[in-house]
Amino acid sequence: AQSVSQHNHHVILSEAASLELGCNYSYGGTVNLFWYVQYPGQHLQLLLKYFSGDPLVKGIKGFEAEFIKSKFSFNLRKPSVQWSDTAEYFCAVRYNNAGNMLTFGGGTRLMVKP
Amino acid sequence: GAGVSQTPSNKVTEKGKYVELRCDPISGHTALYWYRQSLGQGPEFLIYFQGTGAADDSGLPNDRFFAVRPEGSVSTLKIQRTERGDSAVYLCASASGLYNEQFFGPGTRLTVL
Repeated sequence: AQSVSQHNHHVILSEAASLELGCNYSYGGTVNLFWYVQYPGQHLQLLLKYFSGDPLVKGIKGFEAEFIKSKFSFNLRKPSVQWSDTAEYFCAVRYNNAGNMLTFGGGTRLMVKP
Repeated sequence: GAGVSQTPSNKVTEKGKYVELRCDPISGHTALYWYRQSLGQGPEFLIYFQGTGAADDSGLPNDRFFAVRPEGSVSTLKIQRTERGDSAVYLCASASGLYNEQFFGPGTRLTVL
């Protein structure tokens, strides 16, 4: 079965620290890749997406992610986090040979200390 | 513009009861998805509509769960004979266009006592 793994369940950082959240997915052919963010009390919002082309994708709020096909990874990065980045982050994969649904990872809860 | 809306935002029911959860997608979006998010986990796919028809219902856990989208817009997720294990946040997303990017609603938190 297709699956998505996020290795860090909880991350605590101080403001201005660099962030990298891991995401790995099981092999399943051609994929589209997404990172969603859920701020406290809010709904899931799209941070960035990869469909094709440049494997380094830039999203909103200074986030970026790199698709490394050989590692089945799509890690999320931000050079300098802010307190307002405190949220839960979800990696999601659409396997193009398995319909249009998204397969989500378990999420990473990020807390940024002011 | 208006995003995806879901009602009710919270629903508390007793074991064995029937519930209906409603999703209003973004106007013009042809695709609609239902997901379920249990505590501490990521969303899990339930069912996907393209227009009025269920294009993929492989994520529905059992025959107590059913969903409709009769006019290709609003969708209702129906759960019969609710069980405590059905307690979760039920998320709806709609999508359209070439890349089918999914926009999520705020969810309905279902609690089965």
